Parts: sequence; structure tokens; C-alpha cells
Amino acid sequence: AQSVTQLGSHVSVSEGALVLLRCNYSSSVPPYLFWYVQYPNQGLQLLLKYTSAATLVKGINGFEAEFKKSETSFHLTKPSAHMSDAAEYFCAVSAFGNEKLTFGTGTRLTIIP
Amino acid sequence: EAQVTQNPRYLITVTGKKLTVTCSQNMNHEYMSWYRQDPGLGLRQIYYSMNVEVTDKGDVPEGYKVSRKEKRNFPLILESPSPNQTSLYFCASSLWARVWSDTQYFGPGTRLTVL
Repeated sequence: AQSVTQLGSHVSVSEGALVLLRCNYSSSVPPYLFWYVQYPNQGLQLLLKYTSAATLVKGINGFEAEFKKSETSFHLTKPSAHMSDAAEYFCAVSAFGNEKLTFGTGTRLTIIP
Repeated sequence: EAQVTQNPRYLITVTGKKLTVTCSQNMNHEYMSWYRQDPGLGLRQIYYSMNVEVTDKGDVPEGYKVSRKEKRNFPLILESPSPNQTSLYFCASSLWARVWSDTQYFGPGTRLTVL
């Protein structure tokens, strides 16, 4: 069985500050890990994914995430927050041969002007 | 434009009145799925379809039906809706069922309220 835990259902950061959204996973097989973003009144959009190549993954809009096997983590970061980053972010896990994405409960990111 | 469309976007209905939420994709994708999103629970998969005429249950299939008669369409059917099916529903598709490698594209969502 696979699962992800997102720590913090709401995160607020000031514009220009570091964004850090936390995700820890549980998987009995090597995982594939994803971050999706959901802007208000829209569907989910893939930000980035880890599929066992480089452990530091760069995505769209300046976001990146690092896979740390020893910590079972896949935290999402962005050096400098923009107002346009305000959205809900979902971490998800899958594995080779598994036709399912298992999502976390989401983190709502608020940017303070 | 490559997209997944859902209709209706918003629906208010009453308990027991059958309804269908349509989903269509124009990317010739084999794999399609339905999710529901509830506060504090994230997205949970309802049903998925690996290709035409092949469907299977996800994590929360009770109270829902699906069909896949054509590659592009994957309607979600609620035969007798109940208030606990009030939720935000998303349809998604990807080229193949390799969700670990194929990007899933999501529709804009359907907000359903069952009174």
C-alpha cells in the first residue's frame, strides 16, 4: 500500500519569501512522486514528478522538489514566492505497475503581500 | 486545444434523482478516471477505465456507475444520489494506464450538491 502525508493544511508566506510545502510518503516499493497544483476553480495541473532519475526535480513556475529516501520525503520548494503562487498543492504517489495515483490531503498556500 | 471537458460545472439536485456528469477528452487517451475531492480528504479515485469497454473500481465506488463505450467519453452516473455524494468531482485522462509515467490531465471539475 502507498500513502502520502502532507504536513500543514494551510501555509502562509510573505511575497518574496521561501515556500516550503512538506510531503512524506510510505511505499513498499520504489515510489514515483508527484506534485500537483490546483488554482481556484480549476482542475489539477502537474508541477513536477520524480521517477527515479535525478533526486532533485525541477518543475514549472520555479518550483523544485528533492527526493530523500532516508527521510521518505519529497518536499516542494520555491526560493521566492509570488502572489500568483496562491493555490492548493497536492502531493501524490504511485509505483511501477500501479494504475493509481494516491493523493495527499492538500496544502493551501496563501501569499501575504 | 488539448483538454478534458466536464459538464455540467455546477449542479444542485435532490436525493434520488438520477444524474449523469459527462467527461470528454480530445487527446486520444486510453486511460480515464474519476475522482472526488472533499475537504481534508484530498482526491479519492471513484472508477477508472484502461480502455474502451474496460472499467474498474477505485477506492470509493459505492453509489456510482460508469461506462466507456467510446474512447473519448467517460460519463459518471449517480443512479440515486444521496447527500453524502455532495462533492467536487474531477475527470482525468492520460495516454496509457502508466500513471507513474504518463501525465494525467484533469478536467475543470463539477461541483455537485445533493439536497
